[in-house]
Amino acid sequence: NAGVTQTPKFQVLKTGQSMTLQCAQDMNHNSMYWYRQDPGMGLRLIYYSASEGTTDKGEVPNGYNVSRLNKREFSLRLESAAPSQTSVYFCASTEGVGAISYEQYFGPGTRLTVT
Amino acid sequence: GESVGLHLPTLSVQEGDNSIINCAYSNSASDYFIWYKQESGKGPQFIIDIRSNMDKRQGQRVTVLLNKTVKHLSLQIAATQPGDSAVYFCAENPARVSGTYKYIFGTGTRLKVLA
Repeated sequence: NAGVTQTPKFQVLKTGQSMTLQCAQDMNHNSMYWYRQDPGMGLRLIYYSASEGTTDKGEVPNGYNVSRLNKREFSLRLESAAPSQTSVYFCASTEGVGAISYEQYFGPGTRLTVT
Repeated sequence: GESVGLHLPTLSVQEGDNSIINCAYSNSASDYFIWYKQESGKGPQFIIDIRSNMDKRQGQRVTVLLNKTVKHLSLQIAATQPGDSAVYFCAENPARVSGTYKYIFGTGTRLKVLA
């Protein structure tokens, strides 16, 4: 049971390049999330998926798109990277509403630098 | 990982002493709270949670106190150990939105354990 996995661990992009961050969970969770974490700031929600087949914007969605590929996988895409998107990105999952536990499980993060 | 901790308030504690980390939350409607530990280069790790119908909850070496009157949470770590050195932050769940939970995260406190 690996929990939440993310790839890649590190990435350097040039301004204007695109890339997709991958996330997968093996806990049969319904809800998945993408956050970014910047120095001195709390985690900020980019997008989330309450359940398979649905996605919604979070607090800072501009410049990103997501795909809930199936129940296990939730990817984050940067279509045209900008230096302001330099950050650490975390994927997380929860069982979802109606579950016994509200606990949110996090992946190890992707450290992205845009030059 | 280290860059996440820049500009955070720091609590320095002697090994073996008790630590108290505080968090002010923002929404009086929040009904669920979590404390996370984040070590350098890693994703946040669940420590303990508490629901709004409780004012205290104890785990192994940790206690969370909730004061709803002043919207304040605290995390107490007993007999602090070097392995407790990390950034600690709280999260609140203000509402179930679109069938899932959207957490709000605090910025965190860095705990340094002195030998």
